[in-house]
Amino acid sequence: AQSVAQPEDQVNVAEGNPLTVKCTYSVSGNPYLFWYVQYPNRGLQFLLKYITGDNLVKGSYGFEAEFNKSQTSFHLKKPSALVSDSALYFCAVRGRGTYKYIFGTGTRLKVLA
Amino acid sequence: KAGVTQTPRYLIKTRGQQVTLSCSPISGHRSVSWYQQTPGQGLQFLFEYFSETQRNKGNFPGRFSGRQFSNSRSEMNVSTLELGDSALYLCASSLEVAGVVADTQYFGPGTRLTVL
Repeated sequence: AQSVAQPEDQVNVAEGNPLTVKCTYSVSGNPYLFWYVQYPNRGLQFLLKYITGDNLVKGSYGFEAEFNKSQTSFHLKKPSALVSDSALYFCAVRGRGTYKYIFGTGTRLKVLA
Repeated sequence: KAGVTQTPRYLIKTRGQQVTLSCSPISGHRSVSWYQQTPGQGLQFLFEYFSETQRNKGNFPGRFSGRQFSNSRSEMNVSTLELGDSALYLCASSLEVAGVVADTQYFGPGTRLTVL
């Protein structure tokens, strides 16, 4: 069965420190990979996606993600966290040839001042 | 360009009733997807429509149904509501044009449904 795992319910990081939010997937073939962020009482906002090519993808607000095919991972990173980055982050995958997105359960990021 | 809009934003119903939620995609977007978001389950895919046709369906009971109109607006209906249907229902639209791979989904603010 296809699935996405975000192993950490919550990640705490001090402002100015680098942050990593983890995502692993189990999808056959070479899926498309996405990261979204959700602020309170808002819908999801797109951050970045991996389609093909360079394993390091750069997205909005200084976020980037590294695709690792051998480890089936797509971790979200940022070199220097801001308090305003505190939100709920979702990883999602979409199999090639399908229109169905599978989302992880989300990781709450808390950046401490 | 206006974003994805969903109406109503909040809804309170009682068990056994039915409900219809509406989604207006970004102008020009032809694909609309629906998701159910709950604290424990994250986002669960309900269904996806493109040019008035359902292309994909998640693992939800037949009480959950949807449709898409010729202007790409979409509705989802839940009949015989259960307490467990309380959730945030999110709609997302994407352009989905030929030659564009894995087009980005843009989400609306959601409809918060509470079933008493």
